[in-house]
Amino acid sequence: DAGITQSPRHKVTETGTPVTLRCHQTENHRYMYWYRQDPGHGLRLIHYSYGVKDTDKGEVSDGYSVSRSKTEDFLLTLESATSSQTSVYFCATRDEKLFFGSGTQLSVL
Amino acid sequence: AQSVTQPDIHITVSEGASLELRCNYSYGATPYLFWYVQSPGQGLQLLLKYFSGDTLVQGIKGFEAEFKRSQSSFNLRKPSVHWSDAAEYFCAVASTSGTYKYIFGTGTRLKVLA
Repeated sequence: DAGITQSPRHKVTETGTPVTLRCHQTENHRYMYWYRQDPGHGLRLIHYSYGVKDTDKGEVSDGYSVSRSKTEDFLLTLESATSSQTSVYFCATRDEKLFFGSGTQLSVL
Repeated sequence: AQSVTQPDIHITVSEGASLELRCNYSYGATPYLFWYVQSPGQGLQLLLKYFSGDTLVQGIKGFEAEFKRSQSSFNLRKPSVHWSDAAEYFCAVASTSGTYKYIFGTGTRLKVLA
């Protein structure tokens, strides 16, 4: 959808390790977002970007950082993964509406 | 701060019955408002959106929503539900400040009885 590629699609990691998820878009959209989806919590905004090097915190940003050095890439880093960060992570971009990637299933053991 | 409340976690309706899903928001002004649907194992699909103007908005699949400023609500309706409407529905608000921060509600899971 809208040329959004998330990588990896699945990842299993251990507590305490750093993890980086990548979102790549081919639509030249200015706005990009990282969400996590958990049962009973819906989608919660982690961080978002409104331009290259312009990012801001969302609702659940603790333990996460992001970088956007070019329009097409938005990286989400879990600095030291914890089991509570086991989730499905969605990247999205915005034109007049949000376009979502296919998601990354992350398991932290 | 922006927030969205969907008070109903689960709703069950019979096929052919009418449907209303509730959404209340908190925002300092009138935000942009959206309804998305997510079928099991699928991504999110936009049903409809409200930016300004007519407060009754028509969407895809026969859905409509009404923006009520006085109640800070944006409820989703469908006059006759089909079995294929079973899914999870999310209301979302976006800031109008230029950063377009999108916040989603916790979702309402719809079950349709045959």
